[in-house]
Amino acid sequence: QQPVQSPQAVILREGEDAVINCSSSKALYSVHWYRQKHGEAPVFLMILLKGGEQKGHEKISASFNEKKQQSSLYLTASQLSYSGTYFCGTEQGGSEKLVFGKGTKLTVNP
Amino acid sequence: GAGVSQSPSNKVTEKGKDVELRCDPISGHTALYWYRQSLGQGLEFLIYFQGNSAPDKSGLPSDRFSAERTGGSVSTLTIQRTQQEDSAVYLCASSLQLGITGGYTFGSGTRLTVV
Repeated sequence: QQPVQSPQAVILREGEDAVINCSSSKALYSVHWYRQKHGEAPVFLMILLKGGEQKGHEKISASFNEKKQQSSLYLTASQLSYSGTYFCGTEQGGSEKLVFGKGTKLTVNP
Repeated sequence: GAGVSQSPSNKVTEKGKDVELRCDPISGHTALYWYRQSLGQGLEFLIYFQGNSAPDKSGLPSDRFSAERTGGSVSTLTIQRTQQEDSAVYLCASSLQLGITGGYTFGSGTRLTVV
């Protein structure tokens, strides 16, 4: 079942913060986050495993609430290079494949 | 190879013709996935290969779609009697062990246009 991402789109000024949410109606084994720039392949950012551990990658971090079947991606002090479409991919029940949300388009302006 | 390689990068075909899309995963990656991305849409799962196990074909949209993986490495996705709704970017990804060592590494995709 496809996870739901929100918001669908967000526009920021450089230096501002953003939160992207991903929720599922099914129990999750893991949540992955990817960023795709226009015309390019999606690039892996991070993985959140069961246990609620918060992971970080530069100024981008994420959390995973397995009880609520939700994950959030936090982008702090955004940079122009953060622009792109962010996808969450959920692994349900140890299926070893990801079901992706429809994506959140992030635009960072100077 | 250093990354996931897909060919061709672009393919224009006439409706009703068959097409073959190729994916060469990262050496040593046992898992290989095919996804489809239509304009403005998310990534739609098609098929998954893991080692010598039977593939998970649950995402193939019709029996016109098939895929094989030879020798646990290169994979070919075949679409028979192409339709206009098959137009999309077809992405291949590979991974070492999903969920443990990390995520997918995607190829650059094949943009298929059916005219």
